[in-house]
Amino acid sequence: RKEVEQDPGPFNVPEGATVAFNCTYSNSASQSFFWYRQDCRKEPKLLMSVYSSGNEDGRFTAQLNRASQYISLLIRDSKLSDSATYLCVVSGSNYQLIWGAGTKLIIKP
Amino acid sequence: ETGVTQTPRHLVMGMTNKKSLKCEQHLGHNAMYWYKQSAKKPLELMFVYNFKEQTENNSVPSRFSPECPNSSHLFLHLHTLQPEDSALYLCASSQEEPPSNTEAFFGQGTRLTVV
Repeated sequence: RKEVEQDPGPFNVPEGATVAFNCTYSNSASQSFFWYRQDCRKEPKLLMSVYSSGNEDGRFTAQLNRASQYISLLIRDSKLSDSATYLCVVSGSNYQLIWGAGTKLIIKP
Repeated sequence: ETGVTQTPRHLVMGMTNKKSLKCEQHLGHNAMYWYKQSAKKPLELMFVYNFKEQTENNSVPSRFSPECPNSSHLFLHLHTLQPEDSALYLCASSQEEPPSNTEAFFGQGTRLTVV
């Protein structure tokens, strides 16, 4: 089993719709969780950290489910500019960050 | 504009060449990283420097040699690479090394092609 696993997609979603995707992780001792966004041929940028109680930033909501070992990202009222690859990042056993391969999201007009 | 700059942006090199990638961060961070990103694969952490000292070497082949002369600069020296080393090489920095919950800032990467 991969340490951090994501559905590669692509998720094709109409503009204005709500979309959600999950990321599963294998290390139950992981303490830090993040979602990064990477645009085509660009560098990754932090979208949001994921806290135990869940957190929201505008149209974006992140949740952590420790029992089932996954984190989720929900995007409401999706915009064309949300098209990107979303990378899940989880801290590993030696605290180093383990990256998922990403979920590609395409928002269609 | 990113606070982490990488040069060159693109590099094509033969298997017998020697080249270096450069990274500079203007953010006053203490930790710097080299990552490799291959198509459709997760980012792979290669090296970590914290306060100029190497703290992590993730079983990277010796044909990749990092150098950190000060906390603002990081180099990756390349020699006798293989075609499978072709990838996007990303430099990143953060205020502190994990487990601190700090954001990593990335440079725009060097797209390397080994021919």
